[in-house]
Amino acid sequence: EVQLVQSGAEVKKPGESLRISCKGSGYSLTNYWISWVRQMPGKGLEWMGRIDLSDSYTNYSPSFQGHVTISADKSFSTAYLQWSSLKASDTAMYYCARRVAGSNWFDPWGQGTLVTVSS
Amino acid sequence: QSALTQPRSVSGSPGQSVTISCTGTSSDVGGFNYVSWYQQHPGQAPKLMIYDVSERPSGVPDRFSASKSGNTASLTISGLQAEDEADYYCCSYAGSYIWIFGGGTRLTVL
Repeated sequence: EVQLVQSGAEVKKPGESLRISCKGSGYSLTNYWISWVRQMPGKGLEWMGRIDLSDSYTNYSPSFQGHVTISADKSFSTAYLQWSSLKASDTAMYYCARRVAGSNWFDPWGQGTLVTVSS
Repeated sequence: QSALTQPRSVSGSPGQSVTISCTGTSSDVGGFNYVSWYQQHPGQAPKLMIYDVSERPSGVPDRFSASKSGNTASLTISGLQAEDEADYYCCSYAGSYIWIFGGGTRLTVL
């Protein structure tokens, strides 16, 4: 079974750094991308960016470019989303989702990681 | 890019049909046949329901259908059931390896 398992909930203070993870299992890494999607409390889904796990090539939504960094470790079948300096407005649920090469949809999705940023 | 436009809410009684619209531009919905739809129940991760405008993944009931005309895509759910009550999001490819979601629609089964 193809699965994406995300790291657990985080509570951080403004200005702190954070990296959350998304580990894939049940499929080969080649020809798959991982996207990250933000869902702020009570709000809709926002596509943040993606990474190709085979070569770590990334691209970002203009709304998130420069605010987050997406990376990956192919040897661990894991993608990461990181912040160098969190803000209260980063409080949200973050989902990872798989995109098969050549497709334009996301399936499956991880269970989500809740990030809370509060002083 | 701005979020695709969806109605905030729709409702219907069990057995009825509802349609959710998703309006974008010629740079996203209208420019590519790459619209997908996701169902999200409270507290759960989104689930793929439709891809490539009108294709259903295996396991998705055929009560779910979708189409596109110009810059507007539509998801129709026929024979509404209580378990269909959820939030629905459209998503479109927008070129240059960028994707954009709609604002989401809350479906209430009366």
